[in-house]
Amino acid sequence: TQLLEQSPQFLSIQEGENLTVYCNSSSVFSSLQWYRQEPGEGPVLLVTVVTGGEVKKLKRLTFQFGDARKDSSLHITAAQPGDTGLYLCAAFTMNRDDKIIFGKGTRLHILP
Amino acid sequence: SQTIHQWPATLVQPVGSPLSLECTVEGTSNPNLYWYRQAAGRGLQLLFYSVGIGQISSEVPQNLSASRPQDRQFILSSKKLLLSDSGFYLCAWSQGLAGVGEQYFGPGTRLTVT
Repeated sequence: TQLLEQSPQFLSIQEGENLTVYCNSSSVFSSLQWYRQEPGEGPVLLVTVVTGGEVKKLKRLTFQFGDARKDSSLHITAAQPGDTGLYLCAAFTMNRDDKIIFGKGTRLHILP
Repeated sequence: SQTIHQWPATLVQPVGSPLSLECTVEGTSNPNLYWYRQAAGRGLQLLFYSVGIGQISSEVPQNLSASRPQDRQFILSSKKLLLSDSGFYLCAWSQGLAGVGEQYFGPGTRLTVT
């Protein structure tokens, strides 16, 4: 059974601080996505990484896919209250019925 | 551009009553469609997915069922709701084999079974 482990489960930090959250697995994936979800809404896709070692930046967010395509990290620089939310990673493997597995998420709270 | 709709947005139903949640997608053809349930603001539990009209795969045996009567329409149903069916239900779509697994979610339906 493929599993995605996200850590930490909860994180509360002050505005302006930096943080990193992780998404780990023992399986190799074709691609990995990061989503952000706000209360009462559906998750919103932030980024997809496909190539081992790939780094993508989205303003203050930096996403990295591990060299072996088994893990990923999300780093936020100078966190702002608008970054508050549930961050979910999801992984996709071709030839597995087009199903996608999700981690349980990291709940991030940025204190003003 | 593609959009995905879900309704109703919120629903309060008594135990034992039927359920029908609808999801429609615009702006794409032959999408993969998914129903998820999310409890307590945590991870997503995949309930059903469909790769085409009339093709439904169930991930979790329970009193829910799904149907796909049209290419861009996905319906989640129950004949008799249980208290444990309460939760946040999300519909999502993705491209089929041409995609890389990116999913696009609807706004969700908050179901409370009383």
